[in-house]
Amino acid sequence: GAGVSQSPSNKVTEKGKDVELRCDPISGHTALYWYRQSLGQGLEFLIYFQGNSAPDKSGLPSDRFSAERTGGSVSTLTIQRTQQEDSAVYLCASSLRRDRGGAETQYFGPGTRLLVL
Amino acid sequence: KNQVEQSPQSLIILEGKNCTLQCNYTVSPFSNLRWYKQDTGRGPVSLTIMTFSENTKSNGRYTATLDADTKQSSLHITASQLSDSASYICVVSAYVGGSQGNLIFGKGTKLSVKP
Repeated sequence: GAGVSQSPSNKVTEKGKDVELRCDPISGHTALYWYRQSLGQGLEFLIYFQGNSAPDKSGLPSDRFSAERTGGSVSTLTIQRTQQEDSAVYLCASSLRRDRGGAETQYFGPGTRLLVL
Repeated sequence: KNQVEQSPQSLIILEGKNCTLQCNYTVSPFSNLRWYKQDTGRGPVSLTIMTFSENTKSNGRYTATLDADTKQSSLHITASQLSDSASYICVVSAYVGGSQGNLIFGKGTKLSVKP
């Protein structure tokens, strides 16, 4: 079946604009994760969804960042009033379920490359 | 503080040669350790996963080792191919209550295989 897809693949925006990033997880996967990967840095956890609810939003860097998931499937990550430091690759991953030990395999999408000018 | 350190930061080898990538971690309580391969412009793909009781796991030409006592892992690549050029990311999971954020990512080792 299809893997995790993300859109757009690239996004260039002006400082202060809002952007929406979309993630389509693998069908049937109940857990969905958003990460940010800045140049030369490791992946940074942002938020996790189990179904439509987000039990853990601890990684969101500021209140400019929000995410939602509808129908237990598609998720959107919204960044309001973008800043240059928001420039990064935003990766989405999904897994069949969420395991407390982190043993579930997360399948990653190709990412959205965001550049804020 | 839970941390994952990888070395070297980058590595260049000739096609056909072997190489070993290192991962040291200070994560507690430890659950499992995973190696991911991330091709340029793509998302990471899981190569191996090891729990506390496992000290070696192979996936084709990739062999991962784990020493839970010294909190070290290595990823050995045998007979490297051009397609092995990628970033290799070490990820350690900790048992954490009911919240996500229990995955601690290393910054990766960027491997370049030259003909």
